Amino acid sequence: EDQVTQSPEALRLQEGESSSLNCSYTVSGLRGLFWYRQDPGKGPEFLFTLYSAGEEKEKERLKATLTKKESFLHITAPKPEDSATYLCAVQAAGGTSYGKLTFGQGTILTVHP
Amino acid sequence: GAVVSQHPSWVICKSGTSVKIECRSLDFQATTMFWYRQFPKQSLMLMATSNEGSKATYEQGVEKDKFLINHASLTLSTLTVTSAHPEDSSFYICSASRDNRINSPLHFGNGTRLTVT
Repeated sequence: EDQVTQSPEALRLQEGESSSLNCSYTVSGLRGLFWYRQDPGKGPEFLFTLYSAGEEKEKERLKATLTKKESFLHITAPKPEDSATYLCAVQAAGGTSYGKLTFGQGTILTVHP
Repeated sequence: GAVVSQHPSWVICKSGTSVKIECRSLDFQATTMFWYRQFPKQSLMLMATSNEGSKATYEQGVEKDKFLINHASLTLSTLTVTSAHPEDSSFYICSASRDNRINSPLHFGNGTRLTVT
C-alpha cells in the first residue's frame, strides 16, 4: 500500500528563517510526486510536480527536491504570507485511476513577522 | 487564476435530505474529474472518478448509491450526497487535470464544506 508521511506536523518560523519540510514516501513505482499548498477552508493549490530522483523545481521562495525515498520542500526567507498547510502527494505507476493521489497529513507552517 | 470552480462553498442540511455539489472546469474541457473528501485534520482521500458520458468509478469503501456522480458535459461534474447523515459531514473537493493526461498535476476546486445536522 502506498504511504506518504510528512514531518514535522507543524512548524513555526520567524520571518526570514529558512527551513525544510520533509515528505517520505513508499510507493510501488513512482509516477509523480506533487506538492500543494492549502489555506484554511480552501482546496489545495498546486505548487510542483517531481518525476524522478535528482529533480529539483523552484518557485519564488520555494524549492522542491526529490530522492528515491523522500522529497523536501525548502523555504528560503519565508514571509507571513507563506503560512499555510503544505501537502505532499504521490501518484503510483499502474494505478487504476490516474487521479488517485495518496496524500500525506500535511505540515502546518506558521511564519511570524 | 482558478482552474476548477466548485459550488456551493458551504452547505448545511438536515439529516435525510440530499445535497448536490457542482464542479466546473474553467477554460478547458475535462473528460475526467475526481472527487476527494477531507475529514478534519486528515488527508484528502479519493472517493470517485467521474467520467464524461459514462459511469463513475468508485474507490473501495465508497457507497455509489449514496454518492451519486453525474458528468453530463465536458465542463461539469456533480456529486449528490443522498440521504445525508451527520457522519457525511466533511469537506468535499473536486479536481481535474488541465490536459487529462497521466501524471499531469491535478487542480483542485475550493471545496464544499458539508454539515449535516
